[in-house]
Parts: sequence; structure tokens; C-alpha cells
Amino acid sequence: DAMVIQNPRYQVTQFGKPVTLSCSQTLNHNVMYWYQQKSSQAPKLLFHYYDKDFNNEADTPDNFQSRRPNTSFCFLDIRSPGLGDAAMYLCATRKGTGWYGYTFGSGTRLTVV
Amino acid sequence: ILNVEQSPQSLHVQEGDSTNFTCSFPSSNFYALHWYRWETAKSPEALFVMTLNGDEKKKGRISATLNTKEGYSYLYIKGSQPEDSATYLCASRYGGAQKLVFGQGTRLTINP
Repeated sequence: DAMVIQNPRYQVTQFGKPVTLSCSQTLNHNVMYWYQQKSSQAPKLLFHYYDKDFNNEADTPDNFQSRRPNTSFCFLDIRSPGLGDAAMYLCATRKGTGWYGYTFGSGTRLTVV
Repeated sequence: ILNVEQSPQSLHVQEGDSTNFTCSFPSSNFYALHWYRWETAKSPEALFVMTLNGDEKKKGRISATLNTKEGYSYLYIKGSQPEDSATYLCASRYGGAQKLVFGQGTRLTINP
């Protein structure tokens, strides 16, 4: 089945140690998103790609970076994780045109110790 | 800053009862409203995408309505079943932008 896959499902990282979360899709969707969700809060958009065009949200910390080497893969790099970066990170994709909803991965739960 | 609000934050309903909850969003420059269901340990799943004032959508026992003039949407579940237990997220899209602004969700628990 076509889908969005996030790896790993759970990630534990040390304070200040760089970590990379990955997302892949078999849907050939133009748009890929990274959302951060902290406990009981609304998912917050960090950035998104429309094809190769990168769109950063104004309030996304510089500590967060992203790469999209091809249509299928998108990575979230956290350069120096702090305790406040512990959250669920959701990847989603969407066809760039039309009234389609997002297709989500199952998320990566990041713990910072 | 665009703010999407959902109420209530959590809800416990007896199996077989019907229920509904609300999503409020800024109506200015509105483009589309999405509903998602997110079961524990699974991916959020798209339920509805609505765009026009007065839109009503239905999927089995779940339906949704949209009022773009006053900025709200209701999600209804008829005859709740244990498998309806999930967090229901709404999200709005503005001005043709490619991104959604999410509410914090309504966590629904169905008691057998």
C-alpha cells in the first residue's frame, strides 16, 4: 500500500547530541510537511517543501533544519536538542493541487535525556 | 497569528450514545477545513475536507457541517462505538496556502 513511513517510531537522544528523523513516501506527493506536537497541544508546523521549494515557518527555531534530497524522502535534523524539543514529530504529505487531505506517517516520539 | 480552537478538550461518551464537538476558526480569508481522526499508535487519518459554507459531509456514522461565515464546524458521531475512541483534529487552510493550522484536538473515549 502507498503510504508515509517515519523512522524510527521512538527516538531517545542526549541533550545537545544531533539527531535526524526520517520520512519517506510512496505516494509521489509534491508537498511534504514536518509538524511538532507537544503534549495536549495543537500540532505546530515547522516547515514544508513544495517539490524542492523549502518553506520555513517564521517561528521555527534555527536548531531545526530539513532536507529533501528527492521526492520520496524528507529529513528533520535537530542540531542541538534541548529538553524542550521532546515531542511527537509528524510527517505528512499532500498532492499539491486539489482539495486533498494530508496523508500522515505514524510519527516519531522524541525523548531528550 | 491564526488560532483554531476545539472544544471540548476531552469527552467521555457511553457506547451507543451520539455526540458532537466543535471546531472554531478565523473566517477571514478562509479556504478549507479538514477533520482528522487519530487513534493511539496509528497515523492521523483524513475524514473530511470541506470548503463551502453550508457543506455537509458524511462517512458512515460520522458527519460534519461547516459555517464559514461565523467560523465553525461541528463533527457528529451517531451511535458511538468503542472503535470511535480517538483524538479528532480539525485544521483550517487560508488564502490558498499549502499549509494547515491545527486545533489541539478533542480526545473522545467511548465507554462500553
